[in-house]
Amino acid sequence: GAGVSQSPRYKVAKRGQDVALRCDPISGHVSLFWYQQALGQGPEFLTYFQNEAQLDKSGLPSDRFFAERPEGSVSTLKIQRTQQEDSAVYLCASSPGVNTGELFFGEGSRLTVL
Amino acid sequence: SQQGEEDPQALSIQEGENATMNCSYKTSINNLQWYRQNSGRGLVHLILIRSNEREKHSGRLRVTLDTSKKSSSLLITASRAADTASYFCATRGGNTPLVFGKGTRLSVIA
Repeated sequence: GAGVSQSPRYKVAKRGQDVALRCDPISGHVSLFWYQQALGQGPEFLTYFQNEAQLDKSGLPSDRFFAERPEGSVSTLKIQRTQQEDSAVYLCASSPGVNTGELFFGEGSRLTVL
Repeated sequence: SQQGEEDPQALSIQEGENATMNCSYKTSINNLQWYRQNSGRGLVHLILIRSNEREKHSGRLRVTLDTSKKSSSLLITASRAADTASYFCATRGGNTPLVFGKGTRLSVIA
């Protein structure tokens, strides 16, 4: 596709459920990022991939959060045993270079945990 | 944690007026970027200014960077209702990922 695609756009989960959020970056983009955006706040960095290698996961808030990009293209962010504080928009972004230049963002996945 | 801090948090202006948003940051940077986000949408890149640049223009946008004061400003001239959005500055230093501020919510009233 022409841009970064994220699915689902909206997800409602009961507390304790596991969720998986998918990101299809722009074809050929080396770098992929996940950000979390709470209501009225700026995006907060979660994790960064260069191809299939997860080079930085310093922003993941707990060990319930896990991300992968096994073939260096599509990425999945998994949240286990969701809690109410996990409610946020999860943004995926990609860039053609190695952690340089502008980021191309998807529309985000809005997660609501009840 | 967020490095950039935009000011003001919210701004409301009339169509045709200029809008100025400021960003301050804490550590040294390689570049500073501005992004725009319409409600419920993803972020869209507007402009990138490198640490050795002082000013950059793109259409109705003008960005300045003062590394001695660790600050940047975004000026939107002749604003339009369609410019209504949140605007974020983001900084990159060394090998660190892009770090965003909390944003300025701009409302342009027709």
